[in-house]
Amino acid sequence: AQSVTQLDSQVPVFEEAPVELRCNYSSSVSVYLFWYVQYPNQGLQLLLKYLSGSTLVESINGFEAEFNKSQTSFHLRKPSVHISDTAEYFCAVSDQGNTPLVFGKGTRLSVIA
Amino acid sequence: IAGITQAPTSQILAAGRRMTLRCTQDMRHNAMYWYRQDLGLGLRLIHYSNTAGTTGKGEVPDGYSVSRANTDDFPLTLASAVPSQTSVYFCASSVGGGPDEQFFGPGTRLTVL
Repeated sequence: AQSVTQLDSQVPVFEEAPVELRCNYSSSVSVYLFWYVQYPNQGLQLLLKYLSGSTLVESINGFEAEFNKSQTSFHLRKPSVHISDTAEYFCAVSDQGNTPLVFGKGTRLSVIA
Repeated sequence: IAGITQAPTSQILAAGRRMTLRCTQDMRHNAMYWYRQDLGLGLRLIHYSNTAGTTGKGEVPDGYSVSRANTDDFPLTLASAVPSQTSVYFCASSVGGGPDEQFFGPGTRLTVL
């Protein structure tokens, strides 16, 4: 069964600094990879996903993630964070097929003014 | 368009009582899911349904049951609530399983005393 490891439970960062949230998954077989974001007191929303093709995927609000098959990683990056990026971020993986997503335990990003 | 709704928003329940959390989506999605979110444990899948009339067990199904009589509704029942079921419960839906984006409801905060 798939598993997802988010190495950092909390990441504090100053506004306008770069950030990387790390995600590793357990299997090297073909997978679909996702990042979801949860703002305070809300449900999760899809941030970006990798299904196939280019290994670098981008979101509309400046985040990007790179699929690295050899390292089984899908780290999320942003070159300059804003206060509004403060949220919890979840990495998720699904085997190709109809299997449900497996979520990591989440990384709480706190942007400091 | 409401998307996906959950009721109640929050509930305090005595141990041993029966409780049904409601989830309704108006997007005609085939797949629906129930997760619980606990501090430090992230999101864990309780039960899911890939299509009306079918259900499957997730990572933590014990103490919970679901039904999927139609496309729109996916209620979660706690037959005899216990304090360890205190959590925030999220319902989600997607067009299909696997790679499709999951849309989350606003959550139900349940406290079992």
